[in-house]
Amino acid sequence: GAVVSQHPSRVICKSGTSVKIECRSLDFQATTMFWYRQFPKQSLMLMATSNEGSKATYEQGVEKDKFLINHASLTLSTLTVTSAHPEDSSFYICSARQGGGYFGPGTRLTVL
Amino acid sequence: GENVEQHPSTLSVQEGDSAVIKCTYSDSASNYFPWYKQELGKGPQLIIDIRSNVGEKKDQRIAVTLNKTAKHFSLHITETQPEDSAVYFCAASNDYKLSFGAGTTVTVRA
Repeated sequence: GAVVSQHPSRVICKSGTSVKIECRSLDFQATTMFWYRQFPKQSLMLMATSNEGSKATYEQGVEKDKFLINHASLTLSTLTVTSAHPEDSSFYICSARQGGGYFGPGTRLTVL
Repeated sequence: GENVEQHPSTLSVQEGDSAVIKCTYSDSASNYFPWYKQELGKGPQLIIDIRSNVGEKKDQRIAVTLNKTAKHFSLHITETQPEDSAVYFCAASNDYKLSFGAGTTVTVRA
């Protein structure tokens, strides 16, 4: 199947700092990527849809100024968590579609 | 929007037995139904999917059935093995956004 990578896999940061997470489609081009958030023992919650060359579309309740998304190329989307707080600690997962929906391995963010 | 319900939330089976997970969806426009397996600390892995023009699909020990009239679809795992232990998610899509079920934690007892 298609391969999606994420970097970093884990990140620990201090409250108030910003963290950037990269999502890459390794063997296909993705005009659209999706960013999810997952709390322990819960399902995936869609945060936003990343569109190559245009603005991201955010789900209701997701602050676009806090979760900055940039889809600069057909193989790379980035999610920046700005001014991170402990409540932003979560598992962030990206996804890209090529026929089926393929997910990255996730990024565990811990904000101290 | 789409609402996907998944049952059961937990499932414990003896090794070698079958496991069945059921999902229902609300949006009749949904036409793509993937199933994901997620192991602890990892991203979801696509294990099988089905489109609305197909009623059943099988891949070795895994099969998925779809009833569009009743708006439900099911995952069947036969001859379960310990490595099948994981959380399984169903999802429904109209070729754009995926809506996920709440997940089923499957434990295969050796």
